[in-house]
Amino acid sequence: GQNIDQPTEMTATEGAIVQINCTYQTSGFNGLFWYQQHAGEAPTFLSYNVLDGLEEKGRFSSFLSRSKGYSYLLLKELQMKDSASYLCAVSDNQGGKLIFGQGTELSVKP
Amino acid sequence: GAGVSQSPSNKVTEKGKDVELRCDPISGHTALYWYRQSLGQGLEFLIYFQGNSAPDKSGLPSDRFSAERTGGSVSTLTIQRTQQEDSAVYLCASSHRQGPVGEQYFGPGTRLTVT
Repeated sequence: GQNIDQPTEMTATEGAIVQINCTYQTSGFNGLFWYQQHAGEAPTFLSYNVLDGLEEKGRFSSFLSRSKGYSYLLLKELQMKDSASYLCAVSDNQGGKLIFGQGTELSVKP
Repeated sequence: GAGVSQSPSNKVTEKGKDVELRCDPISGHTALYWYRQSLGQGLEFLIYFQGNSAPDKSGLPSDRFSAERTGGSVSTLTIQRTQQEDSAVYLCASSHRQGPVGEQYFGPGTRLTVT
């Protein structure tokens, strides 16, 4: 079956670093995506990993281990505007449809 | 440039009525996806169109749901005989990659409420 797990909620302090984990079990794998979704808005693309390792993009980094079925999103120098839901999604090998986890609601406190 | 647009933004309908939701993808994007997001839930894949290929309908929850894409651009998702459990935000996304993987750009969604 298809299963993607991530924590439901996380809280962190402004200026700190937070790591959001995602584990997956899917029938196919053609890459892992992270999206950010502010309340009432559309998801926006953050990162894409298809090979093992770390991808860095400014304050955000994403890591993938295909053998472990594991990824994390690392957010540095947290800002209040980073409060949002972070969605982990896997692209299966059937045309690129995304299988999403339930999302992690991140609250950044002053 | 213009992003993915969806209409209406909100739709309230009575149980048993049919509804049509519209999606205008980004110009030139060959792939179009429909997802729905129920309250407190993750996004659930519904259907996928890629160029002139037969659509992937594997995510449609019942035969009350159907979708079409005319001229490789605009798509309409139709829900017949709506039920209360159909209440959700329906999101459309498009992608420009020809291959199986591509960054998907999401529209703002249509919030459907079935009373």
